[in-house]
Amino acid sequence: EADIYQTPRYLVIGTGKKITLECSQTMGHDKMYWYQQDPGMELHLIHYSYGVNSTEKGDLSSESTVSRIRTEHFPLTLESARPSHTSQYLCASSGWGEQFFGPGTRLTVL
Amino acid sequence: TQLLKQSPQFLSIQEGENLTVYCNSSSVFSSLQWYRQEPGEGPVLLVTVVTGGEVKKLKRLTFQFGDARKDSSLHITAAQTGDTGLYLCAGALNSGNTGKLIFGQGTTLQVKP
Repeated sequence: EADIYQTPRYLVIGTGKKITLECSQTMGHDKMYWYQQDPGMELHLIHYSYGVNSTEKGDLSSESTVSRIRTEHFPLTLESARPSHTSQYLCASSGWGEQFFGPGTRLTVL
Repeated sequence: TQLLKQSPQFLSIQEGENLTVYCNSSSVFSSLQWYRQEPGEGPVLLVTVVTGGEVKKLKRLTFQFGDARKDSSLHITAAQTGDTGLYLCAGALNSGNTGKLIFGQGTTLQVKP
């Protein structure tokens, strides 16, 4: 079954820690995206990729970085987490306009 | 600048009532999607509209795309408690097939029993 996965679903960590949020999709989509969302609010695009070795920054400035070494995998890394990074992070992929979302990672930085 | 404005932002109604959510922009979209999101989950795609004036029905939900492809509406008939959630519209600008979407700020719907 084609799908999009994110791990972990929930993460509580201390300030200064390095973290990687995982995102994988089995749909063979070239385009992948990372969004940041506060509860009940709109989605803000922070990174996107058109394919392997392609990454671009989104509309919302973010201290996170991403990589795209394989088509199906699009991890997001924070080198030094801070309380201001507390948010929900959503990964999505698309083939033709429609985006399909993973379940999200709820990150809390203490 | 909010390219895609949704209204209302919050809506609390009784089960059985009808409601309409609006999504408006000054930009022309090649397509527009509607998503529903529950707390702690990712948005789930409900429908995609691509043709100006298009109307799509999904059980009790009716989606309409404006003739000029700048606006859209979602109408729910006889709302149920299971319809509770955040509804998001998202438009695709026809800019080189980037696949990027412009999201509205969302409409939080609460349906009370």
